[in-house]
Formats: sequence, C-alpha cells, structure tokens
Amino acid sequence: KAGVTQTPRYLIKTRGQQVTLSCSPISGHRSVSWYQQTPGQGLQFLFEYFSETQRNKGNFPGRFSGRQFSNSRSEMNVSTLELGDSALYLCASSLVCVRAYSGANVLTFGAGSRLTVL
Amino acid sequence: KNEVEQSPQNLTAQEGEFITINCSYSVGISALHWLQQHPGGGIVSLFMLSSGKKKHGRLIATINIQEKHSSLHITASHPRDSAVYICAVRSKTTGNQFYFGTGTSLTVIP
Repeated sequence: KAGVTQTPRYLIKTRGQQVTLSCSPISGHRSVSWYQQTPGQGLQFLFEYFSETQRNKGNFPGRFSGRQFSNSRSEMNVSTLELGDSALYLCASSLVCVRAYSGANVLTFGAGSRLTVL
Repeated sequence: KNEVEQSPQNLTAQEGEFITINCSYSVGISALHWLQQHPGGGIVSLFMLSSGKKKHGRLIATINIQEKHSSLHITASHPRDSAVYICAVRSKTTGNQFYFGTGTSLTVIP
C-alpha cells in the first residue's frame, strides 16, 4: 500500500509570505502528526490530529496551524514566514485504536517538505 | 532543559562490531520510539516500546521504565547501518507531546 505522501517536496518562499503543506496518510491511518527538523534544534513536535481534531500541540507560535479533513489528509500552514522557519517539515501517520485514543502507536513518516525562506 | 538525552553523539565502528546507543529521559512516558534517519532525510521507525525488550533482525531495543532509560543495540554492524539514530518519547505528563533526542550519528567502516 502507498506510504505517507507529502507535497510539495521542496519550496522556496520569502519572508512575510505564507505556506501550506499537505500530508496524505497511509490508507486506514487516522492520526497525523507534524514535526519540524532544523540543524540547530533537531526534531520538534508541532501538532497531532485525530478524527479532524487537534489532540496535542507543541511549543510553536500561533503562526503555525494545521487541520485534518474527513479523509484523514492533513495540512499545515505557516503564516508570516521568518528566516528561522527554514526547515524540513515531516508528517507521520499512525493507526490508532478506534475505542480509545492512546496516542501510542508506531509512526510512519513521509519524506518531508523542505522549506527555504529567503 | 532537555527531556531526552542521547549518548554518544557520534559513533564510528568497524564492520561487525556490537553497537550500543543510550537514551535517558526525564518525563513520564506512554511510549518510547527509536527512529533511523539516513542522509537525505527519510525517517524510519525502528521500534516502539512501552516496556521490556524488542528484537528485529540485528536490532534490539530495551527499556527500563523505573530508571527512565532505553538502549538500542546493533549486533554485527554493517556499513548500511550508517545513519542517525533518534530516540523519541511520548510524554503522558505534558499532554501527549513528543520529545526528541538530538540523535546519534553512526558510521560503520567496512
């Protein structure tokens, strides 16, 4: 079956612009989480969605937002881009038990979207 | 303050050597993940642990919940094991957030 698909793979923006990144999870996976990876800070957790609801959020400013659609596809948006937002943005999907959202499931990562802010 | 500490940061080994990467964490967790990242960025989840030990091929992961410590072992290392290995924990005390170690860069020399 198809893996986690992230689009676009590469993009260049200028300061002040906004960007929307897309993540299509593995079929049947209902949880999608987003991460930022930079050389200086490493991997950092952005947020997680399950059944169209944001379940958890990391320590990022409100310029970073996301949503999940009824087909489990997710988007994240960064508004008013800053130079420091240049990073690899990764999403991961997981199969979550329907009865109880435990948040403890194996993650399957996409290849990432590499954002450069000039 | 880092919720997850990994050691060593860098590791060079000869092919065939036994390798251990350590991870210590300071928060209560619901699960610990070991991830592998090859040059180019792709991340693969190797293990998810909440207790005990798991084995997959030449890879073994253990966790001691009381000591808040996990180890990843690679037996009979091979050059294709060269990658960055990242420890990540899912906290159950701070809203199910993920915290990541800074990674261990492993190079296996033929």
